[in-house]
Amino acid sequence: SQQGEEDPQALSIQEGENATMNCSYKTSINNLQWYRQNSGRGLVHLILIRSNEREKHSGRLRVTLDTSKKSSSLLITASRAADTASYFCATDSYTGANSKLTFGKGITLSVRP
Amino acid sequence: SQTIHQWPATLVQPVGSPLSLECTVEGTSNPNLYWYRQAAGRGLQLLFYSVGIGQISSEVPQNLSASRPQDRQFILSSKKLLLSDSGFYLCAWRTGVRGYTFGSGTRLTVV
Repeated sequence: SQQGEEDPQALSIQEGENATMNCSYKTSINNLQWYRQNSGRGLVHLILIRSNEREKHSGRLRVTLDTSKKSSSLLITASRAADTASYFCATDSYTGANSKLTFGKGITLSVRP
Repeated sequence: SQTIHQWPATLVQPVGSPLSLECTVEGTSNPNLYWYRQAAGRGLQLLFYSVGIGQISSEVPQNLSASRPQDRQFILSSKKLLLSDSGFYLCAWRTGVRGYTFGSGTRLTVV
C-alpha cells in the first residue's frame, strides 16, 4: 500500500524559479526520504529527514517535516532544466533490520529553459 | 567502493515463460536488500525484502518469488510470467543515513 501522497501530481515552472512539492503520509514514521527519478532510470536518494528533525538543507534542496500534520515539503531553489524529473517521497516506519520504504506516486517536475 | 548492479536492463518475455532477475551489491556485507516494482506512471511497490541469506519477506501475494543465495545477491524469479507482471523492477540496498541506493532497473515487458 502507498503511504505517501505527493502534490501536485505535476508541476511546470520556468528555469530560475523555485519548485515546492508536498507530501502527506498516514502513519507514524522513523524518517522520510525524497528521491529523484529521471525518465526510465533508477531512483537517486536526495535527502533524509528524521522524525525528530524539522528542517534539513542540502545544496539547493530544503526539506521540512511536520509530524503533527504528517506532511513534508521539498523545495528546490533556483531550478534548472536539469532538475526535470519525477520526485518521490518515501516513508520508513521502522528501524534497523525491519526498515522498508513506502513510496508515494510521485510528482513530475518540468523546468522550462 | 559501494555499488549495486542489476541486470538485464530490458527484457521481453512471452506469457508463461520463466523469469530470473539478478541484483548484486559490492563493498558491504550483510546488507538489507529490496525488490520494488513500478508500474507505468505509478509509485514504487515493495515486493520483497531480505535481511540476510535465505531470509525473505514478501509484501504482496503475487506470481513472483525471491531468493538470497549469497550475502550480496538477491534474485527475483517467476515460474510462469503473466501479462500483469510487466513493469519496471528495481533492486535497492539500504545504506543507512544515506537512504537507499537503487539499481538502474529492469524494464520487463511480458507479451
